Amino acid sequence: GQSLEQPSEVTAVEGAIVQINCTYQTSGFYGLSWYQQHDGGAPTFLSYNALDGLEETGRFSSFLSRSDSYGYLLLQELQMKDSASYFCAVASNAGNMLTFGGGTRLMVKP
Amino acid sequence: DAGVIQSPRHEVTEMGQEVTLRCKPISGHNSLFWYRQTMMRGLELLIYFNNNVPIDDSGMPEDRFSAKMPNASFSTLKIQPSEPRDSAVYFCASGETGGRDTQYFGPGTRLTVL
Repeated sequence: GQSLEQPSEVTAVEGAIVQINCTYQTSGFYGLSWYQQHDGGAPTFLSYNALDGLEETGRFSSFLSRSDSYGYLLLQELQMKDSASYFCAVASNAGNMLTFGGGTRLMVKP
Repeated sequence: DAGVIQSPRHEVTEMGQEVTLRCKPISGHNSLFWYRQTMMRGLELLIYFNNNVPIDDSGMPEDRFSAKMPNASFSTLKIQPSEPRDSAVYFCASGETGGRDTQYFGPGTRLTVL
């Protein structure tokens, strides 16, 4: 089966940098994705890593280490609007099925 | 593109009633997913279709739940009979097989079973 672990809550201040970690155990691995979900909204895609290393998209970066079954999402220059839940998700086969982690609730304070 | 469309957005029903949730995926996408989200259980995959064929329904909780995809532009999730523990937000998502495995979620249907 598949399991993903990520912290349940993280708090940071506006302008700071925060890192949300994700460790996974899967029977197969094609890639690690990150999704953002605001309260009352739907999950939206943020980033995807299939190979080891860092992917940067604006203020957000995502890192993957396949050998460690570990990844993280890095959010820089935090803004109040970044307050949301962040989910890591693993694609464990070629059919693009995803298994989601339990989500990390990020609270950004002034 | 209008994105994934779901209806209704909110549904309140009484225990024992039949509930049908509807989804129109993004045109051209060949994968469709139904998820259920609750505070207790998080985001759970219920069923996955590829090219209109159910591939994995291992997440469907029990026989009261059924899903169909009669064509590439429409899918339904039916609960019959509904129970209070079915209260949740149900999301439909679509995507293209391969590549980044990105899934595009609809706005969800908030179901309340009294």
